[in-house]
Amino acid sequence: GAGVSQTPSNKVTEKGKYVELRCDPISGHTALYWYRQSLGQGPEFLIYFQGTGAADDSGLPNDRFFAVRPEGSVSTLKIQRTERGDSAVYLCASSLLAGVNTEAFFGQGTRLTVV
Amino acid sequence: KQEVTQIPAALSVPEGENLVLNCSFTDSAIYNLQWFRQDPGKGLTSLLLIQSSQREQTSGRLNASLDKSSGRSTLYIAASQPGDSATYLCAVMNQAGTALIFGKGTTLSVSS
Repeated sequence: GAGVSQTPSNKVTEKGKYVELRCDPISGHTALYWYRQSLGQGPEFLIYFQGTGAADDSGLPNDRFFAVRPEGSVSTLKIQRTERGDSAVYLCASSLLAGVNTEAFFGQGTRLTVV
Repeated sequence: KQEVTQIPAALSVPEGENLVLNCSFTDSAIYNLQWFRQDPGKGLTSLLLIQSSQREQTSGRLNASLDKSSGRSTLYIAASQPGDSATYLCAVMNQAGTALIFGKGTTLSVSS
């Protein structure tokens, strides 16, 4: 596609429920990143994929958070037993190559609200 | 641990002014630095990427500089316009090359 696509754009869920957030990166981009942004803050790194593997998951806050990218393209961020503190905008980004000097392109984000 | 700070947090200027946004980072071992723009309720739009070996990059009315040794970058916006109103975020690529570390941003308001 032309850009990074994230679905849904908004998600409201009840505390304790399970949610999945989807990211379609730019075609051909091997690197994919998930970030979380709270109001008034900059994006906070969650996890980085190079191809199908999670090369860096050091930003995941706890074991309720998990992400997959089974075919090296689409990625799904999964949150179990959601808590009100999980409410934030979840951003996905992709880049052509890993890290170093390649530009990252961001999607519009999924606004998650846990009530 | 890398920390990125942006000053000022907010800035209001009249149309036509030239302005400078500041970014500082604590660890000079970075791969690159990117400046992004974020409009309310939207994702991030990349403005400029400066490689670690570069000193500056220019795109239209925007110019970004990088001084790795002092841990500083500036974003210069010439002849500001109301359409420039947005939040500007600075981010550095971590030493592992796997994640961008962001500042909290500078919210710019340009009045006509």
